[in-house]
Amino acid sequence: GAGVSQSPSNKVTEKGKDVELRCDPISGHTALYWYRQSLGQGLEFLIYFQGNSAPDKSGLPSDRFSAERTGGSVSTLTIQRTQQEDSAVYLCASSQGLAGAGRYNEQFFGPGTRLTVL
Amino acid sequence: AQKITQTQPGMFVQEKEAVTLDCTYDTSDPSYGLFWYKQPSSGEMIFLIYQGSYDQQNATEGRYSLNFQKARKSANLVISASQLGDSAMYFCAMRAEYGNKLVFGAGTILRVKS
Repeated sequence: GAGVSQSPSNKVTEKGKDVELRCDPISGHTALYWYRQSLGQGLEFLIYFQGNSAPDKSGLPSDRFSAERTGGSVSTLTIQRTQQEDSAVYLCASSQGLAGAGRYNEQFFGPGTRLTVL
Repeated sequence: AQKITQTQPGMFVQEKEAVTLDCTYDTSDPSYGLFWYKQPSSGEMIFLIYQGSYDQQNATEGRYSLNFQKARKSANLVISASQLGDSAMYFCAMRAEYGNKLVFGAGTILRVKS
């Protein structure tokens, strides 16, 4: 079946502009995650959705960052008033269900959106 | 809090040789899972192998095996018979048993030489 998809694949924007990044998880996956990967760095957790609720937003770096999920499917990550330090690859992942459900509860990652803020 | 440490920024290995990528972790959770992901230059994250903290045996998946030493809090990835296609960034990650997010290490770049 189809994997996790993200759009756009690349986004170049000017400092101060707002951007929206989209994630389509694997069909039937109830859990959805956003991570950020800065150049040469590991992945940094941003937010976790279970269904349409976000029980863990602890990784969002500032109030300029927000995310929503609708219909238990598509999620949008919005960055307002972008700054140069927001430049990174934003990765979305999805998994089958609740944490601890199943041995793996493996997270499947999308290809990412590369954001460049000029 | 959970923390993953990968002390090798980069590694070289000769084709067909085995290589070990180091990973140590710190957590106060009694139960947790450890993961290894591969990230080729294309950027996708590919799941390789999983080890549960209460698993009695070290995990193996084809040419990948995990050398899990719980007392030392280490979960090293062993790749046997390296191939040129193994050249990539490798990330160690952990998740609490009833947590959700993955906590990642900084990664190790592996280069396989022919």
